Amino acid sequence: DAGVIQSPRHEVTEMGQEVTLRCKPISGHNSLFWYRQTMMRGLELLIYFNNNVPIDDSGMPEDRFSAKMPNASFSTLKIQPSEPRDSAVYFCASSHDRGPFSGNTIYFGEGSWLTVV
Amino acid sequence: AQSVTQPDIHITVSEGASLELRCNYSYGATPYLFWYVQSPGQGLQLLLKYFSGDTLVQGIKGFEAEFKRSQSSFNLRKPSVHWSDAAEYFCAVANFNKFYFGSGTKLNVKP
Repeated sequence: DAGVIQSPRHEVTEMGQEVTLRCKPISGHNSLFWYRQTMMRGLELLIYFNNNVPIDDSGMPEDRFSAKMPNASFSTLKIQPSEPRDSAVYFCASSHDRGPFSGNTIYFGEGSWLTVV
Repeated sequence: AQSVTQPDIHITVSEGASLELRCNYSYGATPYLFWYVQSPGQGLQLLLKYFSGDTLVQGIKGFEAEFKRSQSSFNLRKPSVHWSDAAEYFCAVANFNKFYFGSGTKLNVKP
């Protein structure tokens, strides 16, 4: 079975440009998570969707960040405009039911490595 | 406050030696507990999880963890470490509406 698929795997962009990260969750999963990982702050939950509805977006750093889930098989995380401090690895993850909140495993993608110069 | 603590940032062990990675949590009730592993350049992979029943949990790759309610701990163990176990290990804790990862422990394996 295919796991969580993220694209692009690597992106280098200039400050001020728009960045769009994409995620295809595991088929049949109805919870989707976007995480950001940096050396300084570790793993941070940005946003959590359940049945395509954003449930908790309290981790989204600021208005420059937005996430959508138009259907059960696709989600995007957009940064506009991007800044150097946004450089990080962004992980998408998916799970059954309510994910870890109901004791279920989260399955991670391989991440999108973003560098903003 | 609810939190997850992994007190060891880095650990180095020799190949073939035993391993124990510590995890402590602070929660009001027994939470769901997880251990994940992250190899360089990869996403996180579940090693094992606990939410009820036997407090000793077996996972993949020969790992196990023991839930100790009295100590609020969920330490990860492996009797004999292999060079391929070098990675970063994350403890995670969840309840019905909160989910937290620890800060991680990087494991280095000496030949």
